[in-house]
Amino acid sequence: AQTVTQSQPEMSVQEAETVTLSCTYDTSENNYYLFWYKQPPSRQMILVIRQEAYKQQNATENRFSVNFQKAAKSFSLKISDSQLGDTAMYFCAFMKDQAGTALIFGKGTTLSVSS
Amino acid sequence: NAGVTQTPKFQVLKTGQSMTLQCAQDMNHNSMYWYRQDPGMGLRLIYYSASEGTTDKGEVPNGYNVSRLNKREFSLRLESAAPSQTSVYFCASSETSSYNSPLHFGNGTRLTVT
Repeated sequence: AQTVTQSQPEMSVQEAETVTLSCTYDTSENNYYLFWYKQPPSRQMILVIRQEAYKQQNATENRFSVNFQKAAKSFSLKISDSQLGDTAMYFCAFMKDQAGTALIFGKGTTLSVSS
Repeated sequence: NAGVTQTPKFQVLKTGQSMTLQCAQDMNHNSMYWYRQDPGMGLRLIYYSASEGTTDKGEVPNGYNVSRLNKREFSLRLESAAPSQTSVYFCASSETSSYNSPLHFGNGTRLTVT
């Protein structure tokens, strides 16, 4: 079975600074996909970024980027130039490369951005 | 576009009561999911339906049943509610159950069982 571990229950950062959220996972699969979702206080879940395991290049989406280390089974999220609107819970998630499967989520990291 | 609509938004049940959480999506998605979110536990998959006519158990299916009524609707039923089922329930859908189909979530149902 796959597991996703987020070891930081809470993080805080000042506006304009950079913060990195950690995620590790355990799987015996060779092909799979990784995601970061954001859940602001509104409770809506928003896809932030995704990474295909077969791609060596790290995914980036504007101020969000990942550091994907396949051998170490690590998938961290870096948020640059943090903004107050980044305050949210962030979930790391894993999906096998297999039809009919579903996302497996980590327990989440609550990020607070202050001015 | 409404996206994924869950009803009700809030519900209080007594132990032993039953209820059905409704979920509908208007994006013509094939796959639908039910998750529960608990403090310190993240989101855990209860059941999912990769396509109309199929349902599969997730990580925490005990105490729940689901029905994929049609392509649009995927309901979650609690036959005999227990306090351990107090949680926030999220329905989600995706075009397919593949990686390149991001999940679209509803706004959640907060359920309290006393």
